[in-house]
Amino acid sequence: QVQLQESGPGLVTPSQTLSLTCTVSGASINSPNYYWSWVRQHPAKGLEWIGYIFFNGNAYYNPSLKSRLTISLDTSRTHFSLRLNSVTAADTAIYYCARVFGGDLFWYFDLWGRGTLVTVSS
Amino acid sequence: QSVLTQPPSVSGAPMQRITISCTGSSSNIGAGYDVHWYQQLPGTAPKLLIYGNINRPSGVPDRFSGSKSGTSASLAITGLQAEDEAEYYCQSYDSSLSGPVFGGGTKLTVL
Repeated sequence: QVQLQESGPGLVTPSQTLSLTCTVSGASINSPNYYWSWVRQHPAKGLEWIGYIFFNGNAYYNPSLKSRLTISLDTSRTHFSLRLNSVTAADTAIYYCARVFGGDLFWYFDLWGRGTLVTVSS
Repeated sequence: QSVLTQPPSVSGAPMQRITISCTGSSSNIGAGYDVHWYQQLPGTAPKLLIYGNINRPSGVPDRFSGSKSGTSASLAITGLQAEDEAEYYCQSYDSSLSGPVFGGGTKLTVL
């Protein structure tokens, strides 16, 4: 059974870097069939795609976050990570990692982690 | 302001049928990209409900169905049950953004 689990600090100081890791169990990140993604949900708001990474390390970012964002795979290929620089209170949200099944005309999130709340505050 | 537009809320009595609309544009749904739907129960992560416009993952009841036409899509729920009370999101891909986009979400209340 494939599972995704987010981990990282629940509180980040403004202007610092938000770092999260998603641990993938029961599946290989090396599969060419999937992308590995981050999605966030601001309090009582909708969902926002942050970015995703392919097994070969190619990453794709939401243009609104691209200048502050890095998504990477770890060398063991059991984790992928998110780093968001220069955070403000507007980055306070629940952060989800998710698996994406993508092709020419379809891109959907077929598996989600439980999410982790990150609060940006001094 | 979400790229895909959904009604903020819908409601229905048990056993009734409701529909939730999702309106996009020529750079996403109208460009031929598939529409997918997610159910988010209170305090939980979203769950894939419909993929590829009309397909249900294993375990999703056939009371849930999806359709797509032009620049819009719809989610229908028949035989409404109390356990269906949740937030529902549509999602597609946008060629201008070069990435997935979501609707703003629709809160379903079962009366």
